[in-house]
Amino acid sequence: ETGVTQTPRHLVMGMTNKKSLKCEQHLGHNAMYWYKQSAKKPLELMFVYNFKEQTENNSVPSRFSPECPNSSHLFLHLHTLQPEDSALYLCASSQVSASGGQDEQFFGPGTRLTVL
Amino acid sequence: GENVEQHPSTLSVQEGDSAVIKCTYSDSASNYFPWYKQELGKRPQLIIDIRSNVGEKKDQRIAVTLNKTAKHFSLHITETQPEDSAVYFCAASRPGNSGGYQKVTFGTGTKLQVIP
Repeated sequence: ETGVTQTPRHLVMGMTNKKSLKCEQHLGHNAMYWYKQSAKKPLELMFVYNFKEQTENNSVPSRFSPECPNSSHLFLHLHTLQPEDSALYLCASSQVSASGGQDEQFFGPGTRLTVL
Repeated sequence: GENVEQHPSTLSVQEGDSAVIKCTYSDSASNYFPWYKQELGKRPQLIIDIRSNVGEKKDQRIAVTLNKTAKHFSLHITETQPEDSAVYFCAASRPGNSGGYQKVTFGTGTKLQVIP
């Protein structure tokens, strides 16, 4: 599959479970992002990685833990989540120049997360 | 931080009519303004973007205008078709503080319904 892929597509977990979301980009981009999309809310930026280094943490609770082992893969580790964390989690990637030149972000299909 | 406001939240138009969605932003450092279309159950996809050194851009039935002084930008869709029905998000993006990534703030979305 080309572009940005995410697994799993759907996930139901209890508040005491530990799970991980996976994102992979096949576009050779240097920046990867996690977003949360809740009903009637804008997409919220959670984390940003550039060349494997975390460059932004948008005040996200510690029960969400990102990991970026290389520039193509991004994980979001989940533990002791709350029901209000139920949402669509979208991964995206983009190519950004060192001088800050910006371009389109390519999104994955998302993981629909339900916390019981 | 950046604040992006988007109006209206819902918009219904007759097929063939025009649709206009407006956004305002607050951070003068934002210099890239993409518009994304998200169909039900699908990922957001870029439909048009504009950079801060340009006032207007057009791509077939879609156009975007930017007023940097007033910090607002708009999406115009002409000759609307039923397949244009979706949620549209505006966004304002600026280079990240440490470079090499984008900090994107999204609007709350406009649900466009085109009535055949």
